[in-house]
Amino acid sequence: DGGITQSPKYLFRKEGQNVTLSCEQNLNHDAMYWYRQDPGQGLRLIYYSQIVNDFQKGDIAEGYSVSREKKESFPLTVTSAQKNPTAFYLCASSIREMAMGEQYFGPGTRLTVT
Amino acid sequence: EDQVTQSPEALRLQEGESSSLNCSYTVSGLRGLFWYRQDPGKGPEFLFTLYSAGEEKEKERLKATLTKKESFLHITAPKPEDSATYLCAVPGGGSEKLVFGKGTKLTVNP
Repeated sequence: DGGITQSPKYLFRKEGQNVTLSCEQNLNHDAMYWYRQDPGQGLRLIYYSQIVNDFQKGDIAEGYSVSREKKESFPLTVTSAQKNPTAFYLCASSIREMAMGEQYFGPGTRLTVT
Repeated sequence: EDQVTQSPEALRLQEGESSSLNCSYTVSGLRGLFWYRQDPGKGPEFLFTLYSAGEEKEKERLKATLTKKESFLHITAPKPEDSATYLCAVPGGGSEKLVFGKGTKLTVNP
């Protein structure tokens, strides 16, 4: 079955540690996205990539980094510079021609930093 | 600034009690409006895309409509399994990014 996988579902880290969240898709989509979701707030875009080896900052990129070495993979690293890293992180993908539209989401990773 | 506002924030219905959710937007040059459903602890699930005023889309008990300023998600005779948060989003004017509303949390009681 085609889809987007994120791992792990739950992640716990100590403050000051970097952590990498995995996102893989087998939909053959060109565009991939990372969002953060906090209670009472809409989805906020962290980074997005429309093609391999290229990515752009979203609205809240500070304290995060990404790579796009393969079409199917778009890992997100939450660095120790991110002041409030505890959140629900969502990865999404879309066909490039509809990069603004029908995005398909993964199941999410809930990160807790203490 | 591009903005999407959803109302109400939360809605409680009895099973079979029809209602509507609202999504109003301000964006220069609408290039589509998207509805998603999100269950607790899960990623959003795509429901509909609407591109022009007057357009309607239906899926089971849900019908989405679009005007020049807002979209409605009508829920007819809802069931408890329709309980979820419903999100709408529009492409930001001149950008490759989606602007999401904060969502409406729908609870349908049996």
